[in-house]
Amino acid sequence: EDQVTQSPEALRLQEGESSSLNCSYTVSGLRGLFWYRQDPGKGPEFLFTLYSAGEEKEKERLKATLTKKESFLHITAPKPEDSATYLCARIDQTGANNLFFGTGTRLTVIP
Amino acid sequence: DGGITQSPKYLFRKEGQNVTLSCEQNLNHDAMYWYRQDPGQGLRLIYYSQIVNDFQKGDIAEGYSVSREKKESFPLTVTSAQKNPTAFYLCASSLNAGVTKREQYFGPGTRLTVT
Repeated sequence: EDQVTQSPEALRLQEGESSSLNCSYTVSGLRGLFWYRQDPGKGPEFLFTLYSAGEEKEKERLKATLTKKESFLHITAPKPEDSATYLCARIDQTGANNLFFGTGTRLTVIP
Repeated sequence: DGGITQSPKYLFRKEGQNVTLSCEQNLNHDAMYWYRQDPGQGLRLIYYSQIVNDFQKGDIAEGYSVSREKKESFPLTVTSAQKNPTAFYLCASSLNAGVTKREQYFGPGTRLTVT
């Protein structure tokens, strides 16, 4: 069965304390791995797409990387405004471009 | 401004009533999607449509119905047959073209409460 597993479920960081969020998947032949940010009560906001192992993308304090088994979202020197739930998703294997989501990592950055 | 709008933001209904959630996009995207989000669970796909006048069931379509009469619009009806309709509903759209344009963009969501 297709699985997307995110860890940890929750993460508390001090402002400026860098860390990484993990997204692992079980299916082979990945056709796309996506990262989103979701604030409470709002729709997910698209961050990154990664398509092949070794690929990296950056945006401000966030950097996403991809291997053959997992993706990491690295957060460098986080600020309180980075507090949110971070979701990863991969394209399913049915041939349609549907996304299969993990349950997310809830990040809290303490001032 | 290009984007996806969902209305209303909050919706309250009595059990046994059908209710329709609106989703409109002006991004000229071909594909549109409906997801349901419950606490502690990932987003789950209800229905999707890759082209006007065509739509497919997702993983949890029972008790829901959709239509896609216009490219811009993809309304979702939550019927009385849906056993657990209280949830946060999210609409999304994507270009669905080529290898590198598959990301989905989401609307602000509608929180439905059925009592």
